[in-house]
Amino acid sequence: AQSVTQPDIHITVSEGASLELRCNYSYGATPYLFWYVQSPGQGLQLLLKYFSGDTLVQGIKGFEAEFKRSQSSFNLRKPSVHWSDAAEYFCAVGDSGYALNFGKGTSLLVTP
Amino acid sequence: GAGVSQTPSNKVTEKGKYVELRCDPISGHTALYWYRQSLGQGPEFLIYFQGTGAADDSGLPNDRFFAVRPEGSVSTLKIQRTERGDSAVYLCASSLGGQGNTEAFFGQGTRLTVV
Repeated sequence: AQSVTQPDIHITVSEGASLELRCNYSYGATPYLFWYVQSPGQGLQLLLKYFSGDTLVQGIKGFEAEFKRSQSSFNLRKPSVHWSDAAEYFCAVGDSGYALNFGKGTSLLVTP
Repeated sequence: GAGVSQTPSNKVTEKGKYVELRCDPISGHTALYWYRQSLGQGPEFLIYFQGTGAADDSGLPNDRFFAVRPEGSVSTLKIQRTERGDSAVYLCASSLGGQGNTEAFFGQGTRLTVV
């Protein structure tokens, strides 16, 4: 069965520092991969997605992610974090294209 | 509407009662999904509609849970004989199609508390 692991429950970074959130998946074929962000009181918002092609994917709000098949990873990165990036981040994998399997999430805290 | 609308935003009910949660998707979106998010967890898939029919209900935890979408737009998630373990945020999402290359837009969820 497919699964998604986000090893870091909480991450704290200083404003302006770089960010990398880890995501590992377990799936037999090339999956559809997603990163979502959830702010307090807000719905889930799609940051970026990977289906095929270029393994480096650009998303909204300055985020990017790289698909590494050999490591079964799809880590999310941002070169310079802003205070407004504080939120919960979820990695998700889909196979049939509709039923997404989410990780448990990583809570990002941004300090001044 | 501009986005996916879920009502109510909060619902407190007593154990054993029946509840209905409503989802109003983005106009024109044929695909609709329900997920459940427990505290400290990621969303968990419950059911997927394509039009009026439930294309996949494999995520419904038991027969106390049921969902309908009679006219292919608004959907209602129904929970009978609620239990304290049903307490969670119930998320609805919709997309133009059921394929993975279409973005699913999520509502803000209904927080259900069973006391």
